[in-house]
Amino acid sequence: SQKIEQNSEALNIQEGKTATLTCNYTNYSPAYLQWYRQDPGRGPVFLLLIRENEKEKRKERLKVTFDTTLKQSLFHITASQPADSATYLCALDPRGTGGFKTIFGAGTRLFVKA
Amino acid sequence: DVKVTQSSRYLVKRTGEKVFLECVQDMDHENMFWYRQDPGLGLRLIYFSYDVKMKEKGDIPEGYSVSREKKERFSLILESASTNQTSMYLCASSTRTRQETQYFGPGTRLLVL
Repeated sequence: SQKIEQNSEALNIQEGKTATLTCNYTNYSPAYLQWYRQDPGRGPVFLLLIRENEKEKRKERLKVTFDTTLKQSLFHITASQPADSATYLCALDPRGTGGFKTIFGAGTRLFVKA
Repeated sequence: DVKVTQSSRYLVKRTGEKVFLECVQDMDHENMFWYRQDPGLGLRLIYFSYDVKMKEKGDIPEGYSVSREKKERFSLILESASTNQTSMYLCASSTRTRQETQYFGPGTRLLVL
């Protein structure tokens, strides 16, 4: 079956450290993968999109990698801050659905301790 | 900034009631979506619309219908609410030219008693 998996256990890290979140998928061949941030009681907010021909993408303290062989994306937050505490969702579109059938992971909750 | 608003943040309804959830976006986006989000299951697509009066079923359309009479407004209707429809409902929109990136509203937490 097709699925997208994120670590369901919360990730607890100390302020200033790098947080690394994992997204694995099976039986998809997505042209791109996205990461969203969701705060409690709010809707997700788009952070980054990485395409299949890109190995790495950066935006300020965020870095995303995409390994189509391993079927995995890693999401890094460097110099993490308590304000980075949130749930992070990865999402992909099965090829050929034109962006209309985005599949979201259940998310990983990140806690950054001061 | 794109703004997607939803008519209610919290709703409490009784089983069998008809429920309307409204979503409005102010950025002239062609595409609009309704999801529900449940713990451990992620977001699941209920319906989407790529144009006025057009609608397509998502992965879990049963028990729901939608209406898109104006470009900026997409309504989700629960014809006869049931307790298993208790959930967080999220509306999103995207443009035709960059439709992979979705902009979400704040969500409506619906409790059906």
